[in-house]
Amino acid sequence: EDKVVQSPLSLVVHEGDTVTLNCSYEVTNFRSLLWYKQEKKAPTFLFMLTSSGIEKKSGRLSSILDKKELFSILNITATQTGDSAVYLCAVEARGTSYDKVIFGPGTSLSVIP
Amino acid sequence: DTEVTQTPKHLVMGMTNKKSLKCEQHMGHRAMYWYKQKAKKPPELMFVYSYEKLSINESVPSRFSPECPNSSLLNLHLHALQPEDSALYLCASSQVWGGYSNQPQHFGDGTRLSIL
Repeated sequence: EDKVVQSPLSLVVHEGDTVTLNCSYEVTNFRSLLWYKQEKKAPTFLFMLTSSGIEKKSGRLSSILDKKELFSILNITATQTGDSAVYLCAVEARGTSYDKVIFGPGTSLSVIP
Repeated sequence: DTEVTQTPKHLVMGMTNKKSLKCEQHMGHRAMYWYKQKAKKPPELMFVYSYEKLSINESVPSRFSPECPNSSLLNLHLHALQPEDSALYLCASSQVWGGYSNQPQHFGDGTRLSIL
């Protein structure tokens, strides 16, 4: 059965800390891995990763994918209170009759002043 | 605010009511999605429309009935729901579904549904 696992499930850090969020997956016919940030409402898109070893960066956030070991990490440097959110990892995979989007359980990040 | 608009933002209904959730996007996306998200859980895919045709129905109960009148609009008709259907219902869109589009899904803010 396809699955996406995230760790840790929750994390509390102080402003200025650097955090690393993990996502591992077991899916058949992997297509892409996505990271989303969800605060109170809609998940907002952060990164889409399709190739191994290519780091994607956006400001203080960066992410990389390892398709051999089947995991991805999301790094946030110099954390701010506005980074407090649930970070969702999702994997798109090609199914036998239809394609799938499988979300992990999320990592709840709390950044305290 | 997102580029995917969902209405209403909140909905309270009884188990015998009939209501509809609406979703609209004007990004020219040809794939639209309905997700259900329970508290402290990730979104679960319910339906996918690709070019206004239903591509995926992930064994969702028939009390949920999707409709895609055109490429910009997506509805979810609700009838005889159960208390366990209370959740946040998210709409999303992307350029295409299937194939190798390399484009992410964009989510609306959701409709928070409560069944009495």
